[in-house]
Formats: sequence, structure tokens, C-alpha cells
Amino acid sequence: EDQVTQSPEALRLQEGESSSLNCSYTVSGLRGLFWYRQDPGKGPEFLFTLYSAGEEKEKERLKATLTKKESFLHITAPKPEDSATYLCAVQDNAGKSTFGDGTTLTVKP
Amino acid sequence: EAGVAQSPRYKIIEKRQSVAFWCNPISGHATLYWYQQILGQGPKLLIQFQNNGVVDDSQLPKDRFSAERLKGVDSTLKIQPAKLEDSAVYLCASSQDHSYEQYFGPGTRLTVT
Repeated sequence: EDQVTQSPEALRLQEGESSSLNCSYTVSGLRGLFWYRQDPGKGPEFLFTLYSAGEEKEKERLKATLTKKESFLHITAPKPEDSATYLCAVQDNAGKSTFGDGTTLTVKP
Repeated sequence: EAGVAQSPRYKIIEKRQSVAFWCNPISGHATLYWYQQILGQGPKLLIQFQNNGVVDDSQLPKDRFSAERLKGVDSTLKIQPAKLEDSAVYLCASSQDHSYEQYFGPGTRLTVT
């Protein structure tokens, strides 16, 4: 059974304080790893897809990286508007998606 | 481009009653997903359609939950009878195909009393 574990569960940062979120996974053949952002009361919003170890993607203050066992979402100089829950999901070779429980990020001004 | 539409946004029912949720995916998206998200947890896949065929429903409680996707477009998810533990947000998502990123609707918040 595919499994996704995200850590930490919650992260509080000061504005401008860079950090990383972790996503560890076990999957029966990785087709893709996805990062989403979820704001309260809304559905998840797509951020990145990573397909193979060593791949990196960037968008504004966010950078996602992938190894064979985990993925990191690096947040550089975060702003209060980056506050949200960040979800990691894996898709296996059968096309099934499994989500982690997310990391709730709070950025204080 | 219009996003994924869901209705209703909120629903309160008593246990043992029935309820139905509706989803209209992004036009042209072949894959449609229904997820259950309990407060503080990540989305849990209930059922995945490819066009109007079921790809995965291994985590759907089939004694009380049912879903259909007519003509490969709109979809409905039904719960009958509802239990207290069904209180959650039900998310619908669609993707261009099963290997692509998913686009989510706003969800339906269900409260079972």
C-alpha cells in the first residue's frame, strides 16, 4: 500500500525566515509526485509535479526537489501570504493517488 | 477557463438520511476523482473515473456510498444512509488524463448530526 508522511505537521516562521517541508513516501512504482497548496475553506491548488529523482521545480519563493524516498518543499524568505497547508501526493504506476496529511505553515509578519 | 464546480457547498443532515453531491469537471478532462477530507487530514481517494468507467473504487464504502459519471462528464456521489463519521469535506477533482495534475473544486462540507 502506498504511503505518504509529511513533516512537520505545523510550522511557524517569521517573515523572511527560510525553511523546508518534508514529504517521505513509499510507493509501488512512482509515476509522479505532486505538491498542492490548500487555503482554509478551499480545495487544493496545484503547485508542482516531479517525476524522477534529482528533478527540481521552482515558482516564486517555492522550490521542490525529489529523491528516491522523499521530496522537499523549500520556502525562501516567506511572506504572510504563503501561510497555508501544503499537501504532498504520490501517484503510482496504476494511476492511484495517495495524499499526505499536510504541513500547516504560518508566516508571521 | 472555468474551474471544477461542486454543489451544494454545505449540507447538514441527520444520521440515516441520504445525501447527494454534484460535480462538473473542467471541460475536456477525462479523469474525475472524488475525495473525502476529514478535518486535519489529507484528501482520501474514494473513487476515480476515466471517462465514464471506474478506475479505482477500492476505498469507497460500497454498502453506503455510490457514484456515477454519466456520459463521461458530470458526476454525482451519494451516501445512503449517512453515519456520523461521514462528516467531512467532499472534494471533486479532474485532470486532463490520469497522469496529470489535478484541479479541485471548492468542496462540499457535510455535517451529519
